[in-house]
Amino acid sequence: EDQVTQSPEALRLQEGESSSLNCSYTVSGLRGLFWYRQDPGKGPEFLFTLYSAGEEKEKERLKATLTKKESFLHITAPKPEDSATYLCAVQAGWQAGTALIFGKGTTLSVSS
Amino acid sequence: GAGVSQSPSNKVTEKGKDVELRCDPISGHTALYWYRQSLGQGLEFLIYFQGNSAPDKSGLPSDRFSAERTGGSVSTLTIQRTQQEDSAVYLCASSPSPTGAGNTIYFGEGSWLTVV
Repeated sequence: EDQVTQSPEALRLQEGESSSLNCSYTVSGLRGLFWYRQDPGKGPEFLFTLYSAGEEKEKERLKATLTKKESFLHITAPKPEDSATYLCAVQAGWQAGTALIFGKGTTLSVSS
Repeated sequence: GAGVSQSPSNKVTEKGKDVELRCDPISGHTALYWYRQSLGQGLEFLIYFQGNSAPDKSGLPSDRFSAERTGGSVSTLTIQRTQQEDSAVYLCASSPSPTGAGNTIYFGEGSWLTVV
């Protein structure tokens, strides 16, 4: 069964304290791994898509990496405005239009 | 609008009533998804539409749930005889196409459903 597990469930950081969020997955044929940010009361906001092991993408203080078993979202020198829930999702299988399978998310709190 | 639009943003309904939730995808997007997010839970896939193809209904939790997409654009999710466990945020998403590098999936702000 295709599965996505995110850890930790919650993470508290001081402003400037870098850390990483983990997304491990077991899927039959990865077509893409997605990272989203979700603020309270809002819909998920797209951050990155990674397609193959070894791929990396960056956006401001965020960097996403991908291996054959997991993805990391590295947050460098976070600021309070980075506080949100970060969702990881995979698109699996070879059939067109396969829906995303989501993890439960990591809730990040950054204090000043 | 520029993004995925959902209405209503909030809905409170009595147990046993039917509700309709609407989604207007990004213009030109052929793929449309419905997800459900319950408190403390991850996003749960409900249904997927792609162009004129038959929808993938594999995620619908019961026959009280149905959805349609008219003219390849606007979609309506209908929940009949609502139950308290149906209380959740219902998220709609769309993407330009189902395959390839252009398949970034964009979400709306959600419809918050509370069944009392």
